[in-house]
Amino acid sequence: DAGVIQSPRHEVTEMGQEVTLRCKPISGHNSLFWYRQTMMRGLELLIYFNNNVPIDDSGMPEDRFSAKMPNASFSTLKIQPSEPRDSAVYFCASSLGTPIGAFFGQGTRLTVV
Amino acid sequence: GENVEQHPSTLSVQEGDSAVIKCTYSDSASNYFPWYKQELGKGPQLIIDIRSNVGEKKDQRIAVTLNKTAKHFSLHITETQPEDSAVYFCAALWTGAQKLVFGQGTRLTINP
Repeated sequence: DAGVIQSPRHEVTEMGQEVTLRCKPISGHNSLFWYRQTMMRGLELLIYFNNNVPIDDSGMPEDRFSAKMPNASFSTLKIQPSEPRDSAVYFCASSLGTPIGAFFGQGTRLTVV
Repeated sequence: GENVEQHPSTLSVQEGDSAVIKCTYSDSASNYFPWYKQELGKGPQLIIDIRSNVGEKKDQRIAVTLNKTAKHFSLHITETQPEDSAVYFCAALWTGAQKLVFGQGTRLTINP
């Protein structure tokens, strides 16, 4: 298995633009997690899906952030409109059931200028 | 909610020496404690984990110990090598919310 695949690896965008991050979980995993990593706040869970259904989105910072999982092999995290403070590395992770044994993708480094 | 504190934030050791990173957690119901290693430009990689029904687990040069009474757990790396240089994160499963809560990370540098 290729592991969790995220795209793009790097994204630079201007403030106000829409940004879409993509994730393909490990085949057979039914839980998917989106994390944000910053120096100030470390690794924060934004949202997690189980069987394609959002279970907990309490970590989503504000309405500008939205996430979808239309099927078991694909998820998106969208920021609209983007702001400089959204600059961070965004990770997707997947697991079988609970967060136990979660595998992380390589991340998307987002820079909003 | 769960809170995980990790110390030290940076650690520098000579190659061949041992390194120890410590974490404390707040939720006494937590029952799963993984450790992740993050190399530059990569995602966190699970290196070892422990569940609350055991006190220690070893995998070659790495080991994790858990003290449930004191609510702390530690990562031990013996015979350190340059490739052990990375940022290490501990985490605890917040059982109420079924979330992994991460410590702030320890930047480990192995000096040749």
